[in-house]
Amino acid sequence: EVQLLESGGTVVQPGGSLRLSCAASGSTFSRFDTTWVRQSPGKGLEWVSTIKADGTTTYYSDSVKGRCTISRDRSQTTIFLQMISLRVDDTATYYCAKDFNAIDAGMDVWGQGTTVTVSS
Amino acid sequence: ETVLTQSPGTLSLSPGERATLSCRASGSLRSGLLAWYQQKPGQAPRLLIYGTSSRATGIPDRFSGSGSGTEFTLTISRLEPEDSAVYYCHRDGVSTRAFGQGTKVEIK
Repeated sequence: EVQLLESGGTVVQPGGSLRLSCAASGSTFSRFDTTWVRQSPGKGLEWVSTIKADGTTTYYSDSVKGRCTISRDRSQTTIFLQMISLRVDDTATYYCAKDFNAIDAGMDVWGQGTTVTVSS
Repeated sequence: ETVLTQSPGTLSLSPGERATLSCRASGSLRSGLLAWYQQKPGQAPRLLIYGTSSRATGIPDRFSGSGSGTEFTLTISRLEPEDSAVYYCHRDGVSTRAFGQGTKVEIK
């Protein structure tokens, strides 16, 4: 069974950058689309970015487009989210999640989340 | 971009009652592109329903999903105390995804 583990969350100043990681155990990402979802304190879920199973096709929400890059390592066991020009409203818990299958909506495996705080 | 709007914002019901949660899309969704999640405080979301109406592994059969086009529903047929949570609908798309704003279910 696939398990996901995020890391890289920290406190960073506005304008700073960081890289989040999502490591998969029990499988690789080569078969699944993988998505970053964030949740600001006390708020709902927000889709951030998705990388397709092909490892090259990527999508971003308007709120992070141009400031985030999603990628996958060559071993296909880790997904990254590189974030630059961070803003206070990027403060959130960031989750990675994998699609259940290639056809239907639904992400069946989620990590426990990693917390990013953007503050001066 | 198709926006999802959930209603009601909060649902307060007693154990054993039926809960009906609505998710309305601003544009028609292709069949199978709607999912539902449950999130409890301090936990990651859990997939309940994928492909509009299929229950995820291990999800009790009191949870069911239905709908098409722009109107989708999550039904909890007989509420249990452990069903107290926030429920989110979620859509896939050609190049974007989105979540509804959530419905909080409180058990009296």
